[in-house]
Amino acid sequence: DAKTTQPPSMDCAEGRAANLPCNHSTISGNEYVYWYRQIHSQGPQYIIHGLKNNETNEMASLIITEDRKSSTLILPHATLRDTAVYYCIVRVAGTSGSRLTFGEGTQLTVNP
Amino acid sequence: DAGITQSPRHKVTETGTPVTLRCHQTENHRYMYWYRQDPGHGLRLIHYSYGVKDTDKGEVSDGYSVSRSKTEDFLLTLESATSSQTSVYFCAISESRERNSPLHFGNGTRLTVT
Repeated sequence: DAKTTQPPSMDCAEGRAANLPCNHSTISGNEYVYWYRQIHSQGPQYIIHGLKNNETNEMASLIITEDRKSSTLILPHATLRDTAVYYCIVRVAGTSGSRLTFGEGTQLTVNP
Repeated sequence: DAGITQSPRHKVTETGTPVTLRCHQTENHRYMYWYRQDPGHGLRLIHYSYGVKDTDKGEVSDGYSVSRSKTEDFLLTLESATSSQTSVYFCAISESRERNSPLHFGNGTRLTVT
């Protein structure tokens, strides 16, 4: 599985954009990049995923570099409720079922 | 939020007793998964199901069994609970096992084996 590297923690001011980086330099050509977040005591929440192109949905934007070795999750207007651990994951799917390998993630703290 | 309900939310049991955790979905998704989350290990796949009565093992399946008699329900059973099975258990669902099909998770069951 491709390994991901994320900073352990980040801070962001409420109302500002939060930009969370992720390195995945060993990603294969057919592997997707997924982002999840987990608020304490809750299940992981799906945010967004992408293969090559940038993606946007109602929660966030995902920017993937042209060489696909890194990506950035952007929360355009962070709120206090966005405080959570954010996980960048490379998705492996195969005959044995899908695996999601969660690393340590980035603890994002949104400050008032 | 995806319609996934896990029960119970919290469970304390003694070593050696059987325990069954339930996952119920209202999305009619074909694939269902059981994961456990432990500090330092992240999320690890226990078992998964790709249809009614069709299940397979994940990476940490020893000591666990599963059953799926209906599309909407996926049961995880610990035949004889051990302290090493103290963990938070998450159920997840997806429409397919393809790389571009997101998994959606329930809110977990916190199991303590004393």
